[in-house]
Amino acid sequence: DVKVTQSSRYLVKRTGEKVFLECVQDMDHENMFWYRQDPGLGLRLIYFSYDVKMKEKGDIPEGYSVSREKKERFSLILESASTNQTSMYLCATCPLRTVEAFFGQGTRLTVV
Amino acid sequence: QQPVQSPQAVILREGEDAVINCSSSKALYSVHWYRQKHGEAPVFLMILLKGGEQKGHEKISASFNEKKQQSSLYLTASQLSYSGTYFCGISGGSNYKLTFGKGTLLTVNP
Repeated sequence: DVKVTQSSRYLVKRTGEKVFLECVQDMDHENMFWYRQDPGLGLRLIYFSYDVKMKEKGDIPEGYSVSREKKERFSLILESASTNQTSMYLCATCPLRTVEAFFGQGTRLTVV
Repeated sequence: QQPVQSPQAVILREGEDAVINCSSSKALYSVHWYRQKHGEAPVFLMILLKGGEQKGHEKISASFNEKKQQSSLYLTASQLSYSGTYFCGISGGSNYKLTFGKGTLLTVNP
């Protein structure tokens, strides 16, 4: 079974803090994605990566950056957390775009 | 840009059928369908590829109209376990970007 592990289920951070969300997969998948999920807005793509050190902006990259130094790990960074970044963050991976994507359990981030 | 899903929500009685639609303004290479239950991660149901290939769930079917850039998910003889939010995801062009819609909340009542 594919395992996609996100480092925390729940996280509370203060405004202005630098926040790291980690995602690790164990299936050697090339593609990794970060989404945020908000009620009524569905899953919105923040960034994705199709190879080590390669990254591309999604639809809502403002206020976020990413890092992929190793194939199995994709990190989402909030440089200076703000209250409007309070959300559920989901990581996903897939080997090719012609097959299914696998999701992690999500990190519910609250910025106070 | 996110694909557009319709309807936003649907309520069924057990045994009834439902159709969920997904459309895009861009040319599509593949369409993914996922179901998410409350508090859980989205789970794969079906993928439809340009050219007509389909892979997925035995009891759920879907169509993909490449010319119209639309897909529909067909849920027949619904069961209580079908309740959840359904998302379509699209991938187009030469990159690996996978973009999802806003979701359709399906509620199946006894």
